[in-house]
Amino acid sequence: QLHLQESGPGLVKPSETLSLTCSVSGDSISSSSYHWGWLRQPPGKEPEWIGNIYYNGITYFNPSLNGRATISGDTSKNQFSLNLKSVTAADTAVYFCARIRIPPPGWVPYDVWGQGTVVTVSS
Amino acid sequence: DIQMTQSPSTLSASVGDRVTITCRASQSLNRWLAWYQQKPGKAPKLLIHKASSLESGVSSRFSGSESGTEFTLTINSLQPDDFATYYCQQYKIYPWTFGQGTKVEIK
Repeated sequence: QLHLQESGPGLVKPSETLSLTCSVSGDSISSSSYHWGWLRQPPGKEPEWIGNIYYNGITYFNPSLNGRATISGDTSKNQFSLNLKSVTAADTAVYFCARIRIPPPGWVPYDVWGQGTVVTVSS
Repeated sequence: DIQMTQSPSTLSASVGDRVTITCRASQSLNRWLAWYQQKPGKAPKLLIHKASSLESGVSSRFSGSESGTEFTLTINSLQPDDFATYYCQQYKIYPWTFGQGTKVEIK
């Protein structure tokens, strides 16, 4: 059974880089059946899409992040990571990783999620 | 960006009620719309994709429909476990965007 687990610091200082990892068990991140994504949810608000990484390593990001985000995959560890640089208090949120199924006839977004990890940006 | 306008923001209902939540997109989605249920402290759970396709393992009391740029999530015979917040999400065009959410409360 597929399981996703986020990990990383719960507290990041302003202007520093937030780094999170999503460890995947039960399937391969390089499987052509799936893509993978990062989302976040500020307290009391709706989820916000951060970006996706395709099984072949191609990435797409939310323009609202102004180029601050990168996502990379490590197939040897079966995990993918998010880096968000120059963070401010506005980046405080619960961060989730999730899976996208890509069977025909079309994509199924975010059918499996990690439990989420709280990240607070504060000095 | 595609704007997703969800209504109502809060809905009070009783066990056994039929409830309807609406999501309007600022442009055509070609049915690339999903619905999620979220409970406090938990990750969202996928209920519906492609506007009306029920995700495997989800109760058939949940259904989705579409009319142009307006999408509807219907919950039949509301159960105690259904009291939660529901979100729509478009995945036609990047950036993928969510509605503001509808909290279904116990009347």
